Amino acid sequence: GEDVEQSLFLSVREGDSSVINCTYTDSSSTYLYWYKQEPGAGLQLLTYIFSNMDMKQDQRLTVLLNKKDKHLSLRIADTQTGDSAIYFCAESINTGGFKTIFGAGTRLFVKA
Amino acid sequence: DADVTQTPRNRITKTGKRIMLECSQTKGHDRMYWYRQDPGLGLRLIYYSFDVKDINKGEISDGYSVSRQAQAKFSLSLESAIPNQTALYFCATSGGTSGETQYFGPGTRLLVL
Repeated sequence: GEDVEQSLFLSVREGDSSVINCTYTDSSSTYLYWYKQEPGAGLQLLTYIFSNMDMKQDQRLTVLLNKKDKHLSLRIADTQTGDSAIYFCAESINTGGFKTIFGAGTRLFVKA
Repeated sequence: DADVTQTPRNRITKTGKRIMLECSQTKGHDRMYWYRQDPGLGLRLIYYSFDVKDINKGEISDGYSVSRQAQAKFSLSLESAIPNQTALYFCATSGGTSGETQYFGPGTRLLVL
């Protein structure tokens, strides 16, 4: 079946790197995404990676994709208190029309 | 101005009442979605629509109905609200050159007493 799993909480100190991990089950993923949800707001796309890539870097964000293990990670360098939010991993799969499956979200706490 | 808007932002209602949540988008996207978010469960898809004449059930459609009145509008109805429908509801859109990236509204917080 289609499933996306991620741990529910992560706590880091300000200035450290954060690594949020995600595993997925469907090998027909086309795109994999990281969305960020700040308190009281909807989800916003943070970054995405196409399934034929294994790494993507965008300023403080690094996405790593291991297709063999179906593992996706998001690394945030020099984590700031403003990075405190819930981070959702998601995959798009082609089931005759695209479908997006979201993980349960990882709540990142950044301690000053 | 926000690309995806939802009304109301907050609503308290009683068990058995009918309630409608509305969503409008200015992105020109064909595809629209309704999700509910519950703590620890992430987002669960209620209904989605790939076009004005296209309506599809998601994983938790029981107790809900939708209407796609126009390309830009997609409303969600609870015909007879029950307490376990208390949740945060999000509308999202996708399409055009953005591919499958979804753009979310700010959410509607619903409390059913």
